Amino acid sequence: RKEVEQDPGPFNVPEGATVAFNCTYSNSASQSFFWYRQDCRKEPKLLMSVYSSGNEDGRFTAQLNRASQYISLLIRDSKLSDSATYLCVVNMPSSGTYKYIFGTGTRLKVLA
Amino acid sequence: NAGVTQTPKFRVLKTGQSMTLLCAQDMNHEYMYWYRQDPGMGLRLIHYSVGEGTTAKGEVPDGYNVSRLKKQNFLLGLESAAPSQTSVYFCASSYSLAYEQYFGPGTRLTVT
Repeated sequence: RKEVEQDPGPFNVPEGATVAFNCTYSNSASQSFFWYRQDCRKEPKLLMSVYSSGNEDGRFTAQLNRASQYISLLIRDSKLSDSATYLCVVNMPSSGTYKYIFGTGTRLKVLA
Repeated sequence: NAGVTQTPKFRVLKTGQSMTLLCAQDMNHEYMYWYRQDPGMGLRLIHYSVGEGTTAKGEVPDGYNVSRLKKQNFLLGLESAAPSQTSVYFCASSYSLAYEQYFGPGTRLTVT
């Protein structure tokens, strides 16, 4: 089982749609969680950190479910500019320290 | 603030040549990282540093060396480049291991 798993997509959605991505992680002792956005041939950019109580930033909502070991990202009212790859990142224990584990990303295409 | 910068942006090497990639950050972060990203794979950690003068191996360290002589700089060296090292290299920094990482724009390296 991969340490962090994402559905690679692509998710093709029309403008204005609501889309949700999930990301599962293997280690229940993971301590912090993030969603990044990566545009083609660019660096990952932090979209939002994911907190236990859930958090929202405009059209974006992130949730953490520790019992089922997954995080989610909900995008409402999708824009063409939301087309990108969304990376899930989990900070989990490893050899006495912590390491960031990246998912392979979920591709989103928002269609006009 | 420039955030995280990387030089060069592009480079083509012949097999056996050496080169150094430079990463600089102006956020006073203690932690710095070097990753490589290959198609279909998540970002993989090459080496990282938890402070000035320290370095540690990541997931895929073979064929690379690093140095962190100054807090703001993290250098990645390839002693004898191989075609398998063709990749996009990203540098990142963070305040601590539990916090979000900030990425540089990447270096596209091709080894022929």
